Amino acid sequence: QKEVEQNSGPLSVPEGAIASLNCTYSDRVSQSFFWYRQYSGKSPELIMSIYSNGDKEDGRFTAQLNKASQYVSLLIRDSQPSDSATYLCAVGITGKLIFGQGTTLQVKP
Amino acid sequence: DGGITQSPKYLFRKEGQNVTLSCEQNLNHDAMYWYRQDPGQGLRLIYYSQIVNDFQKGDIAEGYSVSREKKESFPLTVTSAQKNPTAFYLCASSIRTGYNQPQHFGDGTRLSIL
Repeated sequence: QKEVEQNSGPLSVPEGAIASLNCTYSDRVSQSFFWYRQYSGKSPELIMSIYSNGDKEDGRFTAQLNKASQYVSLLIRDSQPSDSATYLCAVGITGKLIFGQGTTLQVKP
Repeated sequence: DGGITQSPKYLFRKEGQNVTLSCEQNLNHDAMYWYRQDPGQGLRLIYYSQIVNDFQKGDIAEGYSVSREKKESFPLTVTSAQKNPTAFYLCASSIRTGYNQPQHFGDGTRLSIL
């Protein structure tokens, strides 16, 4: 079992819809969780961090964490074509970040 | 502007050659990291450094070497022992190491074999 798992997609949503990206992790002691956005050919860009159970909102982005079920999700409201990218989930374990393989999101006009 | 600078953007390696990728940061961050990304894959940790003159192996250190002589600089050498070096190499930094520290990335270096 991989330490951090994401569905590779592609996840396709129409413009204006809510995109839901999910990530599960295997290590129960994980304490920090991050979402990065990576455009094709570019480096990852940090968009959200979450450390405690519940929801954290930042603009059109909401991160949701459920430690009991060991999953973290990212919701993107009012999706725009410019949101089309690969979204990487990263989990903090013993001083390092472990990355999932990423989910590719396609927002269609 | 503060940030992480990687150079070169593209690099080609000949058979049997060692090549060095540069990473410089002016964020005053203590911790620096090197990752490798293969197409359609996530990031895999090669080496990381928490302080000057100290570094630790990551998950895929074989065929790579690093140094940390200055806080600002963390160069990565891809040696001839790395038989499959073609990948996108990313340098990152964080204020300090720790599971709760977000990492910020440079623009990356694409390495290919000639």
